[in-house]
Amino acid sequence: AQTVTQSQPEMSVQEAETVTLSCTYDTSESDYYLFWYKQPPSRQMILVIRQEAYKQQNATENRFSVNFQKAAKSFSLKISDSQLGDAAMYFCAYRSVGANSKLTFGKGITLSVRP
Amino acid sequence: DAGITQSPRYKITETGRQVTLMCHQTWSHSYMFWYRQDLGHGLRLIYYSAAADITDKGEVPDGYVVSRSKTENFPLTLESATRSQTSVYFCASSDTSSYNSPLHFGNGTRLTVT
Repeated sequence: AQTVTQSQPEMSVQEAETVTLSCTYDTSESDYYLFWYKQPPSRQMILVIRQEAYKQQNATENRFSVNFQKAAKSFSLKISDSQLGDAAMYFCAYRSVGANSKLTFGKGITLSVRP
Repeated sequence: DAGITQSPRYKITETGRQVTLMCHQTWSHSYMFWYRQDLGHGLRLIYYSAAADITDKGEVPDGYVVSRSKTENFPLTLESATRSQTSVYFCASSDTSSYNSPLHFGNGTRLTVT
């Protein structure tokens, strides 16, 4: 079974600075997808960024980028120019492919942004 | 309005009672999921469904029952609620055009079992 590990329960960053959130996963599959979701206090789940395992190029969405290391099974999220609105819980997730495709989440990390 | 709707938003029930959480989506997505969110555990998959009349267990299925008679609905039933089932429950859906497609989440149901 696939597992997703987010070892840091909490992190803090100064506004306008850069922060990196770590995520590792375990799988025997070669084809899969990885996601980062944001959950603000409203409880809404918001997709931040996604990465296909077969693509070597790291995904980027505005201030958000990932460092995808397939051999190391690592998928970290970098937030540049942090803003107060980035304060939230962030979840790393893995999705298998095939008939039983499902999304497996890590435990999440709470990010606070200091003004 | 298109989207995924969960009801109720909040529910308080007593130990031993049966309770059903509703989930309805308007996109005709094939896949639907039920997760529970607990502090320190993240989101854990309870059940999922790849299509109507097809359901499968996730990581924590004990004490829960699901059905999927119609593509758009995926109710979750707690047959005899226990305090350990106090949690926030999320329903989600995705289509099958690509596994890269994100899950679309409902706003969650906060369930308290007293």
